[in-house]
Amino acid sequence: NAGVTQTPKFRILKIGQSMTLQCTQDMNHNYMYWYRQDPGMGLKLIYYSVGAGITDKGEVPNGYNVSRSTTEDFPLRLELAAPSQTSVYFCASSPTTDSPLHFGNGTRLTVT
Amino acid sequence: AQSVSQHNHHVILSEAASLELGCNYSYGGTVNLFWYVQYPGQHLQLLLKYFSGDPLVKGIKGFEAEFIKSKFSFNLRKPSVQWSDTAEYFCAVNGNTDKLIFGTGTRLQVFP
Repeated sequence: NAGVTQTPKFRILKIGQSMTLQCTQDMNHNYMYWYRQDPGMGLKLIYYSVGAGITDKGEVPNGYNVSRSTTEDFPLRLELAAPSQTSVYFCASSPTTDSPLHFGNGTRLTVT
Repeated sequence: AQSVSQHNHHVILSEAASLELGCNYSYGGTVNLFWYVQYPGQHLQLLLKYFSGDPLVKGIKGFEAEFIKSKFSFNLRKPSVQWSDTAEYFCAVNGNTDKLIFGTGTRLQVFP
């Protein structure tokens, strides 16, 4: 049972490039989340999904897009990378909203 | 909109000292409350959670938290900290929505 798997672990992007952060879970969880973590700022919710085909904005959605075509996968897309998107990104999932989150190991992204 | 405040940004203690980390939230309805811990280089792990019932909840590693509805607070406590408790601690709230919002975190350093 792999849990929540994020790829890549590290990535360096140039300003204006695009990329997709992958997230997949094998626990059949309905709820999936993308957070970014910056020093002193805690975790900020970017986007979340309550099930396949349903996504919604979190606290800081600008500059990002998501899709949820299957229960397992919840990729996060950066279309035009900016230095402000340098961060550590965590994907998480849970079966219900009152269940603890299962986190992936994170993706450290640097935009220069 | 729901929000979470953690007023202690950095706490330094000696081993065996008592710990209390503050967490206040803003949301008028029913809430689910969580404390997560992040050890250096790792992702977040659940310490404890409150949904309903006894407002004093006990978690792993000797931690506990008390939900005081009138104060919109959910402070984390531990009677005697250990060096291994050095980590960052995050309070999170889910206020009857699908979003789990985190506070900015408190960095705890425990010295032998």
